Amino acid sequence: NAGVTQTPKFRVLKTGQSMTLLCAQDMNHEYMYWYRQDPGMGLRLIHYSVGEGTTAKGEVPDGYNVSRLKKQNFLLGLESAAPSQTSVYFCASSYPGPPPWGETQYFGPGTRLLVL
Amino acid sequence: SQQGEEDPQALSIQEGENATMNCSYKTSINNLQWYRQNSGRGLVHLILIRSNEREKHSGRLRVTLDTSKKSSSLLITASRAADTASYFCATQRGNNNDMRFGAGTRLTVKP
Repeated sequence: NAGVTQTPKFRVLKTGQSMTLLCAQDMNHEYMYWYRQDPGMGLRLIHYSVGEGTTAKGEVPDGYNVSRLKKQNFLLGLESAAPSQTSVYFCASSYPGPPPWGETQYFGPGTRLLVL
Repeated sequence: SQQGEEDPQALSIQEGENATMNCSYKTSINNLQWYRQNSGRGLVHLILIRSNEREKHSGRLRVTLDTSKKSSSLLITASRAADTASYFCATQRGNNNDMRFGAGTRLTVKP
């Protein structure tokens, strides 16, 4: 099993450009997440999905869009990149535990994005 | 906003010593989890403690949870150089699916 993979590993964008980050998981997990990690801060949730065809906003959704067309893939889009979106982006997935308890999340290796 | 706040921000110890990291949070939770992040890598889950549990062990790890004080601690015993990493606590609240992470404790274990 590859676990959670992210593409690309590193990208440089100019302000106003668009791009899509791809996350793929082969663990048949229902839930998938996108986070951003900035220096001196913990991970902040951008968007998440509880199943194929569903998405929901997290803590910092502005400037990002997501899609979950296939269960194994979760795409994060930046329509018009801004320098404030320079960050390391992590994707994660999890299998839902019995409610109301949560389950652990499995993380990808991250994508470093620099917006000039 | 961050839910968990780790303390200290950085910790440096000698190999063989114990390392203790603390996490405080603000609202009631369903569970609290600890993750490790090696430099330049993704987070790896270490241990989960549910709100009705007070202590859990996993190998050299011991986690405690005090819901009355809204705090948790992670103890790593007999530390090794390979334990050098950042450690994050994450809290899960209510029935929603998002977890809130703290800013982390950077642990350095000197050989």
